[in-house]
Amino acid sequence: AQSVSQHNHHVILSEAASLELGCNYSYGGTVNLFWYVQYPGQHLQLLLKYFSGDPLVKGIKGFEAEFIKSKFSFNLRKPSVQWSDTAEYFCAVNAEGAQKLVFGQGTRLTINP
Amino acid sequence: GAVVSQHPSWVICKSGTSVKIECRSLDFQATTMFWYRQFPKQSLMLMATSNEGSKATYEQGVEKDKFLINHASLTLSTLTVTSAHPEDSSFYICSARGSSGGTLNTGELFFGEGSRLTVL
Repeated sequence: AQSVSQHNHHVILSEAASLELGCNYSYGGTVNLFWYVQYPGQHLQLLLKYFSGDPLVKGIKGFEAEFIKSKFSFNLRKPSVQWSDTAEYFCAVNAEGAQKLVFGQGTRLTINP
Repeated sequence: GAVVSQHPSWVICKSGTSVKIECRSLDFQATTMFWYRQFPKQSLMLMATSNEGSKATYEQGVEKDKFLINHASLTLSTLTVTSAHPEDSSFYICSARGSSGGTLNTGELFFGEGSRLTVL
């Protein structure tokens, strides 16, 4: 069975700091990978996704993620965070051909102005 | 992007009553809908997968008689929490995946706003 692990439960940064949120998954086959964001009081939104091709994917709001197959990782990065990035971030994995999406535990990001 | 709408967004009910939550895909046809439950400060736990016109597939540990799911059309799925108890209080989220063809059939899910259930 697939599982997803996000190492950081709560990350606190100052504005303009660089961000990297870890995500590892366990599944031996081909996967589709996603990062979702949930801003306070709002529903989940897709930040970016990887299906195939260039392992470095760029998403909305300056976020990017790199798929490293050998490490089973899909870490999320942003070079300079803003106060408005304060939110909960979820990594998710979908085994190719499977219906369901498996989510990590989430990482709460707090950006101090 | 595609829009998924849930109703109601907030419901309070008495213990023992049943509550129905609707999930609608507003601008696309959703052959598959998923129901998740999110506990405070925790991740989303998949409850069941619902395919239009067939019975839902429940995850291990989810009581199918407790959480009734109906996916009668390509744009509507409902979750009914029967004989609700305080421990059923949670945030329920639905998501939908589009039918074959087009960009919606790429594994991406579109999420509803969620429905917060409080059972007194």
